[in-house]
Amino acid sequence: DQQVKQNSPSLSVQEGRISILNCDYTNSMFDYFLWYKKYPAEGPTFLISISSIKDKNEDGRFTVFLNKSAKHLSLHIVPSQPGDSAVYFCAGSGGSNYKLTFGKGTLLTVNP
Amino acid sequence: EAQVTQNPRYLITVTGKKLTVTCSQNMNHEYMSWYRQDPGLGLRQIYYSMNVEVTDKGDVPEGYKVSRKEKRNFPLILESPSPNQTSLYFCASSLVDGEKLFFGSGTQLSVL
Repeated sequence: DQQVKQNSPSLSVQEGRISILNCDYTNSMFDYFLWYKKYPAEGPTFLISISSIKDKNEDGRFTVFLNKSAKHLSLHIVPSQPGDSAVYFCAGSGGSNYKLTFGKGTLLTVNP
Repeated sequence: EAQVTQNPRYLITVTGKKLTVTCSQNMNHEYMSWYRQDPGLGLRQIYYSMNVEVTDKGDVPEGYKVSRKEKRNFPLILESPSPNQTSLYFCASSLVDGEKLFFGSGTQLSVL
């Protein structure tokens, strides 16, 4: 049972445009969500998080939106830069399942 | 510098030869975990530990062992490696489970 789904394995955008990465979850007990970024040959690094009491959290070029009724969250990167090219993982936790559960990741390519 | 250190970075071995991947964190974190990353499957949890001497199975524990004798160390042991354990492994830690995880740089294991 895949509790966190990232249905787009890859996404390609032009430098300067907006990148939107999507994530859906099935566990209604999840109340904390995170996005991680992973470059090749490195470990994932934390990017941004959001608690279920909010519907938006912003950090510089990165904004995460949470739609609890749709069990959907998205990561917006504006403007996109070539250095943003990486695999992005969405993760959720909460309820009796305190551990972080990860999606399969989306490979973002930002073209110069 | 706060970090999770895992060794070795690269390891090539043969079927059945016992090996240990070490993991150490210097952040006094209670929670530690091991993940494997495989193409198309994302990050899957192998084992986790909520504190010293407390370990539990994750989603894919078969063929692996762990121990948590000290708070900072959480080695991953493959008693009899098989080719299907060829993968990229990550150790991670967090202050408590369900919170932001800090990842090591990864260990690329090839079992021939």
